[in-house]
Amino acid sequence: DAGVIQSPRHEVTEMGQEVTLRCKPISGHNSLFWYRQTMMRGLELLIYFNNNVPIDDSGMPEDRFSAKMPNASFSTLKIQPSEPRDSAVYFCASRPNRVLKGNEQFFGPGTRLTVL
Amino acid sequence: AQTVTQSQPEMSVQEAETVTLSCTYDTSESDYYLFWYKQPPSRQMILVIRQEAYKQQNATENRFSVNFQKAAKSFSLKISDSQLGDAAMYFCALFSNFGNEKLTFGTGTRLTIIP
Repeated sequence: DAGVIQSPRHEVTEMGQEVTLRCKPISGHNSLFWYRQTMMRGLELLIYFNNNVPIDDSGMPEDRFSAKMPNASFSTLKIQPSEPRDSAVYFCASRPNRVLKGNEQFFGPGTRLTVL
Repeated sequence: AQTVTQSQPEMSVQEAETVTLSCTYDTSESDYYLFWYKQPPSRQMILVIRQEAYKQQNATENRFSVNFQKAAKSFSLKISDSQLGDAAMYFCALFSNFGNEKLTFGTGTRLTIIP
């Protein structure tokens, strides 16, 4: 089991540029979550998907952020245009069917985003 | 709304000694799970231990155990025989089986192991 895979691990970009973060969940997991971690706000849930459908995006900070899950094995988080305050570590996590497997979320290694 | 509070921003312990990290939470639900996650400098979030709210018995995983006090809404983590590899940020987290599927995290406790 390769675990949750995120790319890139590090991203440095300039203000105004588009940034796309990628996530491959663990095979067979039904739910996928995007989190942001900053010193000031800690870990925040941005959006989550069940069976590829966005369920709750109330944590998405503003319209500059968008997320998609075109299939069960791939999701993207896009920021356009990026701003320095978007600098953070972005985590993707996946979870198996909670009825059958319990509720543990498995986290990827994160993407450290720096917006200059 | 669910909240998780970790009142100890930093803790330190001598290697081989025992340390307890505190966590309190608030939820109106009766069916929920509590977790402790470890985040070492590599920043990978690693599940340490899980507790189902309906279980009275405290969860244990090797050197890690919890003291779950449901009425007091308290969920502390005890690390016995501390090792250098235990140095990390520790996050307490709450998940409710009803409503949205949000995992609510505390602000974390940074644990330092003194050789």
